[in-house]
Amino acid sequence: AQSVAQPEDQVNVAEGNPLTVKCTYSVSGNPYLFWYVQYPNRGLQFLLKYITGDNLVKGSYGFEAEFNKSQTSFHLKKPSALVSDSALYFCAVRDRWAGKSTFGDGTTLTVKP
Amino acid sequence: DGGITQSPKYLFRKEGQNVTLSCEQNLNHDAMYWYRQDPGQGLRLIYYSQIVNDFQKGDIAEGYSVSREKKESFPLTVTSAQKNPTAFYLCASSPGGQDWAGELFFGEGSRLTVL
Repeated sequence: AQSVAQPEDQVNVAEGNPLTVKCTYSVSGNPYLFWYVQYPNRGLQFLLKYITGDNLVKGSYGFEAEFNKSQTSFHLKKPSALVSDSALYFCAVRDRWAGKSTFGDGTTLTVKP
Repeated sequence: DGGITQSPKYLFRKEGQNVTLSCEQNLNHDAMYWYRQDPGQGLRLIYYSQIVNDFQKGDIAEGYSVSREKKESFPLTVTSAQKNPTAFYLCASSPGGQDWAGELFFGEGSRLTVL
């Protein structure tokens, strides 16, 4: 079985400060890991993914994430937050043979001016 | 432009009525998925299909039904057996099925409210 945990329901940061949204996962094999963003009443938009290779992956809108196998984590980061980054963020995991993705419960990011 | 179209965006129904949500994609993707989103519970998988004329139950399939008669279409029926159908429903697709390593592509969602 595969699972994802996003330990924080809400993350608040000031504009210009760095942000981190946490994600830990559990899979039986090698994981495929993803971050998506959702704006109110919209579908999910893909931000970035880790499949293999370099543990630091860069994605859309200046976001990046670090894969840490020993800690089974895939935290989302951005060096300087923007007010427009305020949204709901989902981490997802996919075991290679699962054929389906499992999502975390989401973290609401609020960036204040 | 290629993408996934869900309709209707908003739907109101009376308790006990079946309702069908449409999902159409012109991305030529093999696999399609239906997720349910409730506040604070993330996305939960209802049904998925990796190829035409085949589909599998997800984690919360009870009270729902699907069909996959065409590659581009994957409609979801919310039946009267679904105890709490009010939710935001998201359809997604991917180019590959079981061995697909990439991301999912999502539609804009359909919000169902049962009165």
